[in-house]
Amino acid sequence: GQSLEQPSEVTAVEGAIVQINCTYQTSGFYGLSWYQQHDGGAPTFLSYNALDGLEETGRFSSFLSRSDSYGYLLLQELQMKDSASYFCAWGDSSYKLIFGSGTRLLVRP
Amino acid sequence: NAGVTQTPKFRILKIGQSMTLQCTQDMNHNYMYWYRQDPGMGLKLIYYSVGAGITDKGEVPNGYNVSRSTTEDFPLRLELAAPSQTSVYFCATVDSQETQYFGPGTRLLVL
Repeated sequence: GQSLEQPSEVTAVEGAIVQINCTYQTSGFYGLSWYQQHDGGAPTFLSYNALDGLEETGRFSSFLSRSDSYGYLLLQELQMKDSASYFCAWGDSSYKLIFGSGTRLLVRP
Repeated sequence: NAGVTQTPKFRILKIGQSMTLQCTQDMNHNYMYWYRQDPGMGLKLIYYSVGAGITDKGEVPNGYNVSRSTTEDFPLRLELAAPSQTSVYFCATVDSQETQYFGPGTRLLVL
């Protein structure tokens, strides 16, 4: 079957670094994406890994290892506004996304 | 650019009623998608389209229909609403960099 596993909740302190892991089981895998969603809002794109390795975009980085079917999102210098849900998603040849169930990040002062 | 727009923002339906959720994009993207998101869950793909006149089923298509007569519009039709269709519905497009752009969503309550 096709599935993605992520932790349901993570709590961290403002200014800290947090890593959100994602493991997947799928076929026809093209890449791993990460999306952020604030309560009541729409998902917004954060990062995409088509190849193994690290992608860095400002305070956010994402990593992919195809051999381990594993990726993670790294958030640095956490801010209160980073409190949100984070979803990993794998994409196929039609750019269809299969989403994980999401990780709720709570940033505390 | 308005991006992806959806109407209505919120709707209450009675069981058995029908409705159409509207989605319009002004980015000239070929690929468009409909997702539903139940509380505390990830998004599930309902239907998608790779261009005008071409649609295909996603993970959870039962109870829904779509059409794509133009590049801009991708409406989602619910024919006989059921309580299980209570959800938030998101329309999305994708660009050449494989980034998906989501509309603001339609909250649907079926009673």
